[in-house]
Amino acid sequence: DIQMTQSPSSLSASVGDRVTITCRASQAIGRDVAWYQQKPGKAPQRLIYGASSVQPGVPPRFSGSGSATEFTLTINSLQPEDFATYYCLQCRTYPALTFGGGTKVEI
Amino acid sequence: EVQLVQSGVEVKKPGESLTLSCEASGYRFDTYWIGWVRQMPGQGLEWMAIVDPSDSEAKYNPSFQGQVTISVDKSLNTAFLQWTHLRASDTGVYFCARTDDYGWDHWAQGTLVTVS
Repeated sequence: DIQMTQSPSSLSASVGDRVTITCRASQAIGRDVAWYQQKPGKAPQRLIYGASSVQPGVPPRFSGSGSATEFTLTINSLQPEDFATYYCLQCRTYPALTFGGGTKVEI
Repeated sequence: EVQLVQSGVEVKKPGESLTLSCEASGYRFDTYWIGWVRQMPGQGLEWMAIVDPSDSEAKYNPSFQGQVTISVDKSLNTAFLQWTHLRASDTGVYFCARTDDYGWDHWAQGTLVTVS
């Protein structure tokens, strides 16, 4: 099984900050990673797919990068509505898809 | 517009059975795998099971194999998740979601299941 190790598990940031979240895969998975945002009481929403492609409608301050075993989600100029929990997802073993542990972005 | 709509809140006792439903609309149902994701209170997301509606081929997360059954009814454009004997540890929010080649792309609103 492919494991996704996400770090940090939580972070504190301020409006306007640049935030970086990392996921490491237990084996090389090409660019088969997606990133999700989840707000309390809501379903997750996909932000990034294919490691770096931004989902239509997602603000350009969100970006993804990486390949093989290391992947990064970057939020430039954090906005109040960005305080949420973020998850990575490996899609290499489609349709069996594994999430990372999550990163809670707090004020 | 793609929409997934789940059945409502459930409160059950240990040992009872339960079936959750997820009705899809806005796309051809048998062209995308559809599955279920669990979120225990205050915890992260875990994929449980996924099914190909075209032929009912199912795959299970080993952690949930034998604990739940996933199925579909193509005539109703609906996916189901079934337990025969609930446990208190099954308490959580269950999401139905569709997958494309890049992950879970559309999600339903979630169903809170409380077993107590």
